[in-house]
Amino acid sequence: AQSVTQLDSHVSVSEGTPVLLRCNYSSSYSPSLFWYVQHPNKGLQLLLKYTSAATLVKGINGFEAEFKKSETSFHLTKPSAHMSDAAEYFCVVSKRGKLIFGQGTELSVKP
Amino acid sequence: DTAVSQTPKYLVTQMGNDKSIKCEQNLGHDTMYWYKQDSKKFLKIMFSYNNKELIINETVPNRFSPKSPDKAHLNLHINSLELGDSAVYFCASSHAAGTGGNYEQYFGPGTRLTVT
Repeated sequence: AQSVTQLDSHVSVSEGTPVLLRCNYSSSYSPSLFWYVQHPNKGLQLLLKYTSAATLVKGINGFEAEFKKSETSFHLTKPSAHMSDAAEYFCVVSKRGKLIFGQGTELSVKP
Repeated sequence: DTAVSQTPKYLVTQMGNDKSIKCEQNLGHDTMYWYKQDSKKFLKIMFSYNNKELIINETVPNRFSPKSPDKAHLNLHINSLELGDSAVYFCASSHAAGTGGNYEQYFGPGTRLTVT
């Protein structure tokens, strides 16, 4: 069965320091994976997607994620956090068009 | 603006009432979805329609009835509202998913439903 596990429910970083949000997936075949961001009281915005074309995926706002099949991971990174990055982040796997969401990671950014 | 829109943004109602949430997309997509986000921010799919045809129906009480008058609209009607229905409901759309494709989905701003 398809599933994703986000390893941290909350991550706190200082502005200007790197961001790492961890996600492991479970899939019986090559998955389609996504990261979505939800700012407070807003809808979900697609950050990036992996669909087997390249293992390192670049997204919007300086985010990127690396697909590692051997580790079944799809961690989200950003070299330097901005205050505006504070939000909830969801790792998502797609199964026949149905998005299966992880539990979410709340990212806090301290000045 | 091209987008997925939902109305209303906020909905406060009493137990036992019937209410509807409307969703429209002008992205030219064939598939639309309803998701529910609970108080712990967990998101779960409820329904999906492809070209007005129901293709995904998760284990949702039959008090919830989606209706798709055309492929640009997917409305959600809820009968006999209960306290546990309080949540944020998101509409989304994508290119055709019925063939097994896994296209990205574009989400509306959400409707916060509060049942008192």
